[in-house]
Amino acid sequence: QVQLQESGPGLVKSSETLSLTCTVSGGSIRDYYWTWIRQPPGKGLEWIGYIYYSGSTNYNPSLKSRVTMSVDTSRNQFSLKLNSVTAADTAVYYCASQPHDTNWFDPWGQGTLVTVSS
Amino acid sequence: QSVLTQPPSVSGAPGQTVTISCTGSSSNIGAPYDVHWYQQLPGTVPKLLIYGDINRPSGAPDRFSGSRSDTSASLAITGLQPEDEADYYCQSFDSSLRGYVFGGGTKLTVL
Repeated sequence: QVQLQESGPGLVKSSETLSLTCTVSGGSIRDYYWTWIRQPPGKGLEWIGYIYYSGSTNYNPSLKSRVTMSVDTSRNQFSLKLNSVTAADTAVYYCASQPHDTNWFDPWGQGTLVTVSS
Repeated sequence: QSVLTQPPSVSGAPGQTVTISCTGSSSNIGAPYDVHWYQQLPGTVPKLLIYGDINRPSGAPDRFSGSRSDTSASLAITGLQPEDEADYYCQSFDSSLRGYVFGGGTKLTVL
């Protein structure tokens, strides 16, 4: 089964851009859709969006104006950028895989906490 | 406010059966799009527990079962065990939002 690992800064200043990368191992990045999900401290899960290896994307309408996802097939990595962040964007960010022709997420990365400071 | 509605909390004694509901609408569960359930043990990563309404991934105990009817879905846990204490989330696709949605989560307490 594929394994995923998020990486990136744990602290981002308000109004700046949050950037995270997810590295895929144990499988090809061409085999799944790749998703970002976040969870504010003590709160529930929020789907941010997904990207396919071809570059096609689908973003949560509530975040669409601030989100950009990209994929690097040569490195088996995909990335998330969220601009103009505020304290409300403080959360644990998870990357996850979505098998073809399914609507569920499995497996997930370990998650990384990103804190937005003022 | 989540598109899918779950009770904030449920509880039960060891050995009992509890159910967690997930209520949606005609643009998601009622469309019908499949419902999936995730278990998040304290301090850990959410893990797929039920997929495609009723299916268990390899390794998921058969004490967990899912069902769906009209615009709602349910997760049942029979023979409750202390290690079942966790947060549970339902998830589906919403055609109006053209994206994936989660329920707000339900905290299960084993008394």
